Amino acid sequence: GDSVTQMEGPVTLSEEAFLTINCTYTATGYPSLFWYVQYPGEGLQLLLKATKADDKGSNKGFEATYRKETTSFHLEKGSVQVSDSAVYFCALSSGNNRLAFGKGNQVVVIP
Amino acid sequence: NAGVTQTPKFQVLKTGQSMTLQCAQDMNHEYMSWYRQDPGMGLRLIHYSVGAGITDQGEVPNGYNVSRSTTEDFPLRLLSAAPSQTSVYFCASSYSRGDTNTIYFGEGSWLTVV
Repeated sequence: GDSVTQMEGPVTLSEEAFLTINCTYTATGYPSLFWYVQYPGEGLQLLLKATKADDKGSNKGFEATYRKETTSFHLEKGSVQVSDSAVYFCALSSGNNRLAFGKGNQVVVIP
Repeated sequence: NAGVTQTPKFQVLKTGQSMTLQCAQDMNHEYMSWYRQDPGMGLRLIHYSVGAGITDQGEVPNGYNVSRSTTEDFPLRLLSAAPSQTSVYFCASSYSRGDTNTIYFGEGSWLTVV
């Protein structure tokens, strides 16, 4: 079945540092890929998405490229801010309107 | 446009009590689903529906019931609450158009079972 694997553990970094969160997936066919963000005490917000190979999703300075050859969708941001502190979830949908989520990564940005 | 609305936002239940988490969407989406979020587990699918009158089980359906009598509403019922059902619950709705699908989430319902 479909599955998403995110790198283990929280990520702590200083303001203006470069952020990378790894995400790899297993799926049949050609899934759509998503990154969701959850700020403290809030619900899930769609951060960005990509629907086919080589597509790049981007939003709020975050980017992720759909790499079919490596089955990856790594999230990157060049210069993080304290306000980017949140939990980030990678997810996929195989066209059935249901999502398979990774376990999430807590990101803590220190001033 | 309210999007996906969940109620209540917070609830404390005693073991054995029953309750219903409400979910409503005003976007005329065919697909609706319920997820639970637990620390270190990500989100897991409980039940989903592809249209009014049609529901099916997801990854973790035990202890929960759903129904879909209208397109707009998709309530989640806990028949006899257990401490293991302490979690954050998210309702989602979506449509499919061509090769894309956009999935919208409610703000979540924080449930504690004591």
